Amino acid sequence: EVQLLESGGGLVQPGGSLRLSCAASGFTFSRFATSWVRQAPRKGLEWVSSISGAGGGSTYYADSVKGRFTISRDNSKNTSYLQMNSLSVEDTAVYYCAKGYNYGDVWGQGTLVTVSS
Amino acid sequence: EIVLTQSPGTLSLSPGERATLSCRASQSVASSYLAWYQQKPGQAPRLLIYGASSRATGIPDRFSGSGSETDFTLTISRLEPEDFAVYYCQQYGTSPKTFGQGTNLEIK
Repeated sequence: EVQLLESGGGLVQPGGSLRLSCAASGFTFSRFATSWVRQAPRKGLEWVSSISGAGGGSTYYADSVKGRFTISRDNSKNTSYLQMNSLSVEDTAVYYCAKGYNYGDVWGQGTLVTVSS
Repeated sequence: EIVLTQSPGTLSLSPGERATLSCRASQSVASSYLAWYQQKPGQAPRLLIYGASSRATGIPDRFSGSGSETDFTLTISRLEPEDFAVYYCQQYGTSPKTFGQGTNLEIK
């Protein structure tokens, strides 16, 4: 069964950092892109970042996170990461990991990031 | 940025009825690169349609997508109780990738 499992969310102060992980199973991870999509409380969806499969040579960032967030992957661990720096209250959301670069055909259950003092 | 406007905001129907959800883009969506997702409370989105009209793996054939350029439609031919949820469209033809604000399909 294809599965994605996010971890690393939590409470962080404004200006702080957090690293999210997305552990994949049930498919050949290295062949596929992964992405992060977030959903603020009671709001819609925002596509945050994507990384291509294999070497991860192609990345995408939403303007709202460019320069603050970094996406990466470790194919030996079947895991992708989202390093989030300089967090602000506007970054508070559930962060979903999804399989795919342009649209997500499999999604994880999400991890909640709360930025608050 | 392509703005996607979904209508109606809320759709109240009964099981067995036909649902028609609209997604209108502020400019043409390249190559009909449009997807539809279903999201139930407390759950992650689930891919229904990609490429405007291709059903994702395991999606029942009562779900169908159509449209091109700026006007897209998701049709659910006969509503089942489990279909009541929020539906989002998303375009991925032009950066940044954007979502519509969602249509809440509720039981009448």
